[in-house]
Amino acid sequence: EPEVTQTPSHQVTQMGQEVILRCVPISNHLYFYWYRQILGQKVEFLVSFYNNEISEKSEIFDDQFSVERPDGSNFTLKIRSTKLEDSAMYFCASRDKGLAENNEQFFGPGTRLTVL
Amino acid sequence: AQTVTQSQPEMSVQEAETVTLSCTYDTSESDYYLFWYKQPPSRQMILVIRQEAYKQQNATENRFSVNFQKAAKSFSLKISDSQLGDAAMYFCAYRNLYGNKLVFGAGTILRVKS
Repeated sequence: EPEVTQTPSHQVTQMGQEVILRCVPISNHLYFYWYRQILGQKVEFLVSFYNNEISEKSEIFDDQFSVERPDGSNFTLKIRSTKLEDSAMYFCASRDKGLAENNEQFFGPGTRLTVL
Repeated sequence: AQTVTQSQPEMSVQEAETVTLSCTYDTSESDYYLFWYKQPPSRQMILVIRQEAYKQQNATENRFSVNFQKAAKSFSLKISDSQLGDAAMYFCAYRNLYGNKLVFGAGTILRVKS
């Protein structure tokens, strides 16, 4: 069964450093998402991406964040200068372009980001 | 903006028994989707069940069923014949009909006792 994969599973970085979180969505999917879950809190939407551009972003997704689909298979989330409060689990998700019946978002296993 | 509320931070159920997890939401839309996701200790989010708001019939998936009350904006999840593998965090989520993002509730931790 196809699945969304994410690397690394755990990333530890120093405050102020740049990090890139990588995701490989399901191959025929066209919509891509990043969500964040701070430990013990709810899952929060960050950004959605379609047709090589951001289609929606939340207030959390400020200028420190960027997304890219560099090669047609990977989907990356970059945090330019990490802060302590960026420590969280980051989930990538993707979905097919289909009609309403195919609107399920498939989630990856997540990357745990720890900022020291 | 849409909001999703799960008022039960934690629930317990005896193996083989039935448990119901509550969820309420707020929206001004008439058509939308509602979901229950399971997050086991591995942290991977797994879709359990989906309900289209325009369908009156409650969705069912094997041991999992929902009680969708559109007028009350309520969407509860019933797990029958609970198994140890059902122990996880359960998130209720909302999505607009043509929207992108999922809006999640705070989650309910389900513990299953043997």
